[in-house]
Amino acid sequence: GNSVTQMEGPVTLSEEAFLTINCTYTATGYPSLFWYVQYPGEGLQLLLKATKADDKGSNKGFEATYRKETTSFHLEKGSVQVSDSAVYFCALNLQNTGNQFYFGTGTSLTVIP
Amino acid sequence: DGGITQSPKYLFRKEGQNVTLSCEQNLNHDAMYWYRQDPGQGLRLIYYSQIVNDFQKGDIAEGYSVSREKKESFPLTVTSAQKNPTAFYLCASSIDGRASTEAFFGQGTRLTVV
Repeated sequence: GNSVTQMEGPVTLSEEAFLTINCTYTATGYPSLFWYVQYPGEGLQLLLKATKADDKGSNKGFEATYRKETTSFHLEKGSVQVSDSAVYFCALNLQNTGNQFYFGTGTSLTVIP
Repeated sequence: DGGITQSPKYLFRKEGQNVTLSCEQNLNHDAMYWYRQDPGQGLRLIYYSQIVNDFQKGDIAEGYSVSREKKESFPLTVTSAQKNPTAFYLCASSIDGRASTEAFFGQGTRLTVV
């Protein structure tokens, strides 16, 4: 089946620390991969995406590389800020499933000054 | 401004009542989705629609119903058959059926059964 597995949180980091949130996937086909961010009480916002193997998505200092050989899409940021505190969701989309999105369980990040 | 509007933001329902959550988009997107989010959990797909007058059940459709009579609207009804309806509900849309297209989300409706 199709699924996304994220590292469990919560994650607490000091400002300017390096961030990695692991994401691996299982898919019956060639998915597109996404990272979304959710701030308290709000909907999800697209952070970045990659649509084929070896693509790197990047936005606001965050990066993730589509690794087909390890079925992974780990999110990284070199220096986190307090404003990055949120819940991060990894997701995949497969056209052969009627354009369904599959989401991970989310990883809560808190950045302390 | 283009986007997805969910209303109301907060909704209270008595047990045994049906309630309808509104979702409207002016992005001219073909596909629309409803997800349920429980505390500390990911998003679970309730229903999705690829085109007007057509929709499919997701993973947790029991106790819910939808309609897609207009491209821009995809209301969700939480029926009395839904045993545990208290949750945060998110509506989303995407431009078409290509896997590369991202989903755009509304701000959510928090439903509480009292």
